[in-house]
Amino acid sequence: IAGITQAPTSQILAAGRRMTLRCTQDMRHNAMYWYRQDLGLGLRLIHYSNTAGTTGKGEVPDGYSVSRANTDDFPLTLASAVPSQTSVYFCASSDSRGTQQFFGPGTRLTVL
Amino acid sequence: KNQVEQSPQSLIILEGKNCTLQCNYTVSPFSNLRWYKQDTGRGPVSLTIMTFSENTKSNGRYTATLDADTKQSSLHITASQLSDSASYICVVSVSGGYNKLIFGAGTRLAVHP
Repeated sequence: IAGITQAPTSQILAAGRRMTLRCTQDMRHNAMYWYRQDLGLGLRLIHYSNTAGTTGKGEVPDGYSVSRANTDDFPLTLASAVPSQTSVYFCASSDSRGTQQFFGPGTRLTVL
Repeated sequence: KNQVEQSPQSLIILEGKNCTLQCNYTVSPFSNLRWYKQDTGRGPVSLTIMTFSENTKSNGRYTATLDADTKQSSLHITASQLSDSASYICVVSVSGGYNKLIFGAGTRLAVHP
């Protein structure tokens, strides 16, 4: 089934630990995005990639890093997790025009 | 500052009733406005996309309107069903640069039997 997959579905993590959230799409979209969703707030962009090999910072990039080695995969890494990174993380992808973004099912991350 | 504000924050209606959700935005330069539906525990799914020149767009029982002069949009749901229970998110796209989206916090709709 075409779409976006994210892993893990949920994770509880000790503060200070390193964590990588995985995202894979099979729609051959050039652009991919990582958002976080917190209660009472709209989704906020963490990092994006317009095409394989390039990445850019979004609205809230601090504490996160991404890579885009190929078209399909866009992992998000928390080098040293802090409790304020407790959130639901959504990966999305779109064609180059960005007319419509397709979202993955999300990863619920809790940092203790 | 680019902002998208939605009202009400939450809403409860009875099955079969209609409802209207509101969205006000201060985003410039404006590219398009989208409404997404987000079921609990799932990612957002697009309902409608409207450009500057479009006043209304329908998707089944969902009808979105856009007034670019007043920077307001609404989402009208007709003959609500239990499956309409979800959060509805208004999203405005900023023209230029990467595909920058400004998300509202959403309206949480509960449809009761």
